[in-house]
Amino acid sequence: GENVEQHPSTLSVQEGDSAVIKCTYSDSASNYFPWYKQELGKGPQLIIDIRSNVGEKKDQRIAVTLNKTAKHFSLHITETQPEDSAVYFCAARGYSGAGSYQLTFGKGTKLSVIP
Amino acid sequence: KAGVTQTPRYLIKTRGQQVTLSCSPISGHRSVSWYQQTPGQGLQFLFEYFSETQRNKGNFPGRFSGRQFSNSRSEMNVSTLELGDSALYLCASKDISSYEQYFGPGTRLTVT
Repeated sequence: GENVEQHPSTLSVQEGDSAVIKCTYSDSASNYFPWYKQELGKGPQLIIDIRSNVGEKKDQRIAVTLNKTAKHFSLHITETQPEDSAVYFCAARGYSGAGSYQLTFGKGTKLSVIP
Repeated sequence: KAGVTQTPRYLIKTRGQQVTLSCSPISGHRSVSWYQQTPGQGLQFLFEYFSETQRNKGNFPGRFSGRQFSNSRSEMNVSTLELGDSALYLCASKDISSYEQYFGPGTRLTVT
């Protein structure tokens, strides 16, 4: 099955700086890569996603890049703000057999933005 | 549209008991997936239901089961609870024509 590795596990940045979180995946057939933000006491919130036929996608201060050859994708947050502090998860949609697909998640990155 | 709702939000159970958790998906979403989230293992896939049928299942023992009703609401059941079942149980729904999956707030289960 799919295996997703996420780094770093913790990340501290000064307010206004950029933050980058990286993930690798094992299944070359995986075709969809979402990123989720989880705040304390809440469920994961979908913040951006990318499909395998696209190399980069941006949404205001957030961008995701995908390198299919190397099987890795990254989340970039620019001009970080204290409200960006949360745990971020990457995921990959891979084939799980019998015509089914499922999301496999990385272990998460705890991002702290220091005012 | 209202988001995914889960009830109850918190539960405390004793080892050996069973528990039922409920999930109401976003209106119009017919696919519901369940995940277990723990500090050590992260987010792990339990199962997915679509049109009242289990489409996919993760690597969890048979004590974990689920079902989906005709209105797409879903329940999951854990029987013979163990201490290791303490976790946040998350439900996610999606439109079958899309890849985007949206999570509810979760049910925090504590087994003592």
